[in-house]
Amino acid sequence: DTGVSQDPRHKITKRGQNVTFRCDPISEHNRLYWYRQTLGQGPEFLTYFQNEAQLEKSRLLSDRFSAERPKGSFSTLEIQRTEQGDSAMYLCASSFRANTEAFFGQGTRLTVV
Amino acid sequence: GENVEQHPSTLSVQEGDSAVIKCTYSDSASNYFPWYKQELGKRPQLIIDIRSNVGEKKDQRIAVTLNKTAKHFSLHITETQPEDSAVYFCAASQAGGTSYGKLTFGQGTILTVHP
Repeated sequence: DTGVSQDPRHKITKRGQNVTFRCDPISEHNRLYWYRQTLGQGPEFLTYFQNEAQLEKSRLLSDRFSAERPKGSFSTLEIQRTEQGDSAMYLCASSFRANTEAFFGQGTRLTVV
Repeated sequence: GENVEQHPSTLSVQEGDSAVIKCTYSDSASNYFPWYKQELGKRPQLIIDIRSNVGEKKDQRIAVTLNKTAKHFSLHITETQPEDSAVYFCAASQAGGTSYGKLTFGQGTILTVHP
């Protein structure tokens, strides 16, 4: 297990298209988080899971965003009808339990043209 | 919800000097405060964390202090080296409720250590 992995690393898409990102957390980590990071800003919370249960979704997240974590293992983040404002780095992190070290993946950089 | 403010946004020091980054949080229910370092093009990595039952924690050249009453915590780096140059983020996480374990990050501090 080499840590949290995210796929793809880069994604360029046209405005209006749908995109899906995948995150594979560290094995046995119950918690999985999705963040969005734009240049010069800290990671902005999107949503998180405890096993397969989605515990909270940011109010900033429109209904174009959806995330799943079937079977409590990998997770997917889908953005429908992408907009230029969705361009950002999407980071995934996992932790063994709440309030323990969260390990980040290398992120998926989304560019909407 | 939780709000974390971080200052300064940029910090420039000479090698060997100390660097201090400060964060304030809004939710008194927060009880876990990690600090992450992010080098250019890399993922954030934890460098130190502190829990609310502790006022100070030290790991070699890095220390973190927490003032629960004032709701602020600080990162101290002593004897800075050029490889300390990076973006540093503070974060706060709540002890319970619907947002239990949710990390809220500050805006980041770009630290530059000049040789």
